[in-house]
Amino acid sequence: NAGVMQNPRHLVRRRGQEARLRCSPMKGHSHVYWYRQLPEEGLKFMVYLQKENIIDESGMPKERFSAEFPKEGPSILRIQQVVRGDSAAYFCASSPSRMGYEQYFGPGTRLTVT
Amino acid sequence: EDKVVQSPLSLVVHEGDTVTLNCSYEVTNFRSLLWYKQEKKAPTFLFMLTSSGIEKKSGRLSSILDKKELFSILNITATQTGDSAVYLCAVEAPMDSNYQLIWGAGTKLIIKP
Repeated sequence: NAGVMQNPRHLVRRRGQEARLRCSPMKGHSHVYWYRQLPEEGLKFMVYLQKENIIDESGMPKERFSAEFPKEGPSILRIQQVVRGDSAAYFCASSPSRMGYEQYFGPGTRLTVT
Repeated sequence: EDKVVQSPLSLVVHEGDTVTLNCSYEVTNFRSLLWYKQEKKAPTFLFMLTSSGIEKKSGRLSSILDKKELFSILNITATQTGDSAVYLCAVEAPMDSNYQLIWGAGTKLIIKP
């Protein structure tokens, strides 16, 4: 059973471009969480999704950021018109249920905005 | 294959006890080891360790890294019910200039009053 997959692992974008980060949860998991980690800081919750639904987006910036988890395919975190401050590691976790403890994390995507 | 193994997977103790959580790793390109506490949403950052033998301390929590034996321990003294959580260990191990954070499965700690 493959773990949580994220791609790309490293993404470089110029200011103003769009960044798309993908997350494939573990097989059988229908709950996905996105986190952002800034240098020297812990993980910060961004959004929690179930298939086709956004459950909690309280940690997501109101502008330029969006997330989806379609019925088929991976979850996508989309950042439009990236700025330097968006440079960070973005982690995805999946779980088989709504229980917050049982989350399995992916390896992360490092976004660098130049 | 790079891996991070935490033990025990779960632990139940009584308030006031001292606990030691273990994290061992096998990675090709070690950069740092991180400990997190996860209660609800996002894991809370506890420590980042990069050098062997230097203890990091925060209140009743402390952690140390042994880069020769490839492990770290997280100690919690005088435990309280608020310490109940899943404790995650992760190792930063870049691969081919790609960022990579390898996570352990976590230790679920339950503190009984």
